[in-house]
Amino acid sequence: QKEVEQDPGPLSVPEGAIVSLNCTYSNSAFQYFMWYRQYSRKGPELLMYTYSSGNKEDGRFTAQVDKSSKYISLFIRDSQPSDSATYLCAMSAKRGGSYIPTFGRGTSLIVHP
Amino acid sequence: NAGVTQTPKFQVLKTGQSMTLQCAQDMNHNSMYWYRQDPGMGLRLIYYSASEGTTDKGEVPNGYNVSRLNKREFSLRLESAAPSQTSVYFCASSEWLLIDSPLHFGNGTRLTVT
Repeated sequence: QKEVEQDPGPLSVPEGAIVSLNCTYSNSAFQYFMWYRQYSRKGPELLMYTYSSGNKEDGRFTAQVDKSSKYISLFIRDSQPSDSATYLCAMSAKRGGSYIPTFGRGTSLIVHP
Repeated sequence: NAGVTQTPKFQVLKTGQSMTLQCAQDMNHNSMYWYRQDPGMGLRLIYYSASEGTTDKGEVPNGYNVSRLNKREFSLRLESAAPSQTSVYFCASSEWLLIDSPLHFGNGTRLTVT
């Protein structure tokens, strides 16, 4: 079992829909949770991060962490075609004095006009 | 400000050939990483360098070597390429190996081994 599980999709939604992207994890030592966005033929870029359980909002994006269930989500409101990308969750725990993120497989999102 | 630059962008090798993937960052970051990305497997860490002068193995180091040439540059070498090494390779950097140091990625090298 991988430490971080993420459904690869693809997830196809109409423009304006609310999108929910999710990851589960098995390592209770994970403390820091991130979402990266990756456009086709580009490198991933950090979208949002959070330390704690609860919600964090940034514009149309909301990151949610439930440590008791080992479950994190990214919500996108009023989705746009420009949101079409692969979304990777990532999380960090201390290993040997360092923090190196472990990534999920990524979920491919397609927002059609 | 270029960020993380990877060369080449594309490469085709025959089995057994060797090559070096180059990576340079201009953000004065201390830590650098090499990942490979395969369909259905996500990003897997090959090697990383916490700071200039140090390198450590990641999740999938077999078949690869790395060199941290200086603070800016971190290269990945395939001594004898195999078809299983066909992948997209990403270099990344971060300020330190700290919990809240985000990774900055290059745009990848697409490698095919025939």
